[in-house]
Amino acid sequence: EAGVTQFPSHSVIEKGQTVTLRCDPISGHDNLYWYRRVMGKEIKFLLHFVKESKQDESGMPNNRFLAERTGGTYSTLKVQPAELEDSGVYFCASSQPETSRDAWYTEAFFGQGTRLTVV
Amino acid sequence: GEDVEQSLFLSVREGDSSVINCTYTDSSSTYLYWYKQEPGAGLQLLTYIFSNMDMKQDQRLTVLLNKKDKHLSLRIADTQTGDSAIYFCAEVGETTDSWGKLQFGAGTQVVVTP
Repeated sequence: EAGVTQFPSHSVIEKGQTVTLRCDPISGHDNLYWYRRVMGKEIKFLLHFVKESKQDESGMPNNRFLAERTGGTYSTLKVQPAELEDSGVYFCASSQPETSRDAWYTEAFFGQGTRLTVV
Repeated sequence: GEDVEQSLFLSVREGDSSVINCTYTDSSSTYLYWYKQEPGAGLQLLTYIFSNMDMKQDQRLTVLLNKKDKHLSLRIADTQTGDSAIYFCAEVGETTDSWGKLQFGAGTQVVVTP
């Protein structure tokens, strides 16, 4: 079974351009999370989807970031317009429905991340 | 907000033990995790510990938790070159509305030298 897949693996764009990152979760995983690690700092939570609904978007930095998950399958994270401080590694994770507190550590998996460089 | 802090770098000789330390501030932390990121790879869950435990051992890995001091450590016995990676400490609290909303540290870069 395929794991969590992220596209592209690397992206280099100029300041002011638009970039769209994609995450394909593990099939059947209702929960999808986006995280970001900026410039060697801590990995920070961005948002959480349950199916196609945004459960928690408290970590989204500003309105230049738009996340969608149409149909409850793959998700996209669009940055428009990109700024220099958006550079970093964007991680996606997915997990089974959280029917128990054990769900995360037994069922959650991260993708390999997308390295975004804004120049 | 809650913080998770780690030392940024650790150099260790092959065959020695590595100890990676982490401190956190959330007194309601319920689960504490160690993730490993190898170059070009994603985050891999290495091990975890519940807040009602003091120690957990899993082959070469030993996790120690001092809940009073909010201190977590990961010991890797007989460190190998394949253990070179970034290690992230993470926690999630009892009050969370999502068990996947983790608070991560900045990661400790472990370099294993021959």
